[in-house]
Amino acid sequence: AQKITQTQPGMFVQEKEAVTLDCTYDTSDPSYGLFWYKQPSSGEMIFLIYQGSYDQQNATEGRYSLNFQKARKSANLVISASQLGDSAMYFCAMREGNFGNEKLTFGTGTRLTIIP
Amino acid sequence: DAGITQSPRHKVTETGTPVTLRCHQTENHRYMYWYRQDPGHGLRLIHYSYGVKDTDKGEVSDGYSVSRSKTEDFLLTLESATSSQTSVYFCAISEFSQSNYGYTFGSGTRLTVV
Repeated sequence: AQKITQTQPGMFVQEKEAVTLDCTYDTSDPSYGLFWYKQPSSGEMIFLIYQGSYDQQNATEGRYSLNFQKARKSANLVISASQLGDSAMYFCAMREGNFGNEKLTFGTGTRLTIIP
Repeated sequence: DAGITQSPRHKVTETGTPVTLRCHQTENHRYMYWYRQDPGHGLRLIHYSYGVKDTDKGEVSDGYSVSRSKTEDFLLTLESATSSQTSVYFCAISEFSQSNYGYTFGSGTRLTVV
């Protein structure tokens, strides 16, 4: 079974609209973390936001927020007021395991295109 | 800035030749990782290291070996390159502190096996 599932291969969104990128995960580890990364056309991996499994509140970082629904094993990324520079690939990833045996598993990504 | 440098940035090699990719970090991070990125697969873990001479396999380790003789360097070797190993390779470090919990990636190495 896929540990991280991103069901939207591509999305087109009008500039200034909010966008939600879906991510569901599968783990039996009670301690885990969820990440979102942005990969622009230049290729680098840019960290956006992190949510720990024990965090009570949804993580926020500027225009990015993570809609964490633990019971549904869902960790959607919400980008408010989208900008042309938000056009990129977005990856959801999950950290499992303890120090010394920790791994980060990625989803297949969503290509977001912002339309002027 | 985690100070991660990957070399080379681009390489074209022939099938059957050995290839070594280097990841160098300047901040004494204990944990280092090698991933490959292919369309439709996201990033997949090849090998990782949790200290000098301590390494372990990831989900796609066949055909790859690693070495870490110094904290700052993590080498990925393709023993005998095949066309299926054409990919973009990313090195990463992880850091854990009260103010920062995350993985930082290098700029990537684009490897083409012809």
